[in-house]
Amino acid sequence: NAGVTQTPKFQVLKTGQSMTLQCAQDMNHEYMSWYRQDPGMGLRLIHYSVGAGITDQGEVPNGYNVSRSTTEDFPLRLLSAAPSQTSVYFCASSYSAVSYGYTFGSGTRLTVV
Amino acid sequence: DAKTTQPPSMDCAEGRAANLPCNHSTISGNEYVYWYRQIHSQGPQYIIHGLKNNETNEMASLIITEDRKSSTLILPHATLRDTAVYYCIVRVPVDSGYSTLTFGKGTMLLVSP
Repeated sequence: NAGVTQTPKFQVLKTGQSMTLQCAQDMNHEYMSWYRQDPGMGLRLIHYSVGAGITDQGEVPNGYNVSRSTTEDFPLRLLSAAPSQTSVYFCASSYSAVSYGYTFGSGTRLTVV
Repeated sequence: DAKTTQPPSMDCAEGRAANLPCNHSTISGNEYVYWYRQIHSQGPQYIIHGLKNNETNEMASLIITEDRKSSTLILPHATLRDTAVYYCIVRVPVDSGYSTLTFGKGTMLLVSP
């Protein structure tokens, strides 16, 4: 049981490049979400999904796309990277909306130059 | 949406109980209180959650006041490995009954020898 797996762990992009951050979970969780964390700040929600084929925007969705074609995977796409997207990105999943805790991945540290 | 207020930092001696307070005076009747922690450079870790009653697990105890306007997370015998940022979160219901986590800045707990 691997939990929530994020790849890559580190990435450097040039401004304007695109890339996909991968997130996979093997716990059959319906709920998955992406957060970003900037220095000195708490986590901010980017996008979330309540099941395969269903996604919605969080607090800071601009510049990011998501899709949920399977229960296991929830990739986050940066369309045209900007220095403001330099951050640590965390993926999380949960069995249910309310009565369970979220399991977080170990994070992807992204630098945009 | 219910907001939470936590002290920015606290200190605790190793072996002593750490009592971390959280104020959530605008909490709704169906909102749960969750606690997470984040050890430096790692993903957040779920600790405990509750609705009305006090809760205890292998990591901590959660004491919720009768009016539910505040709560306290108790680490009964703090160790150096408990040094982390602790987040108190009230689950925010969104449309269609699904909910996500809203992280604030948390409390930085420093456990000293």
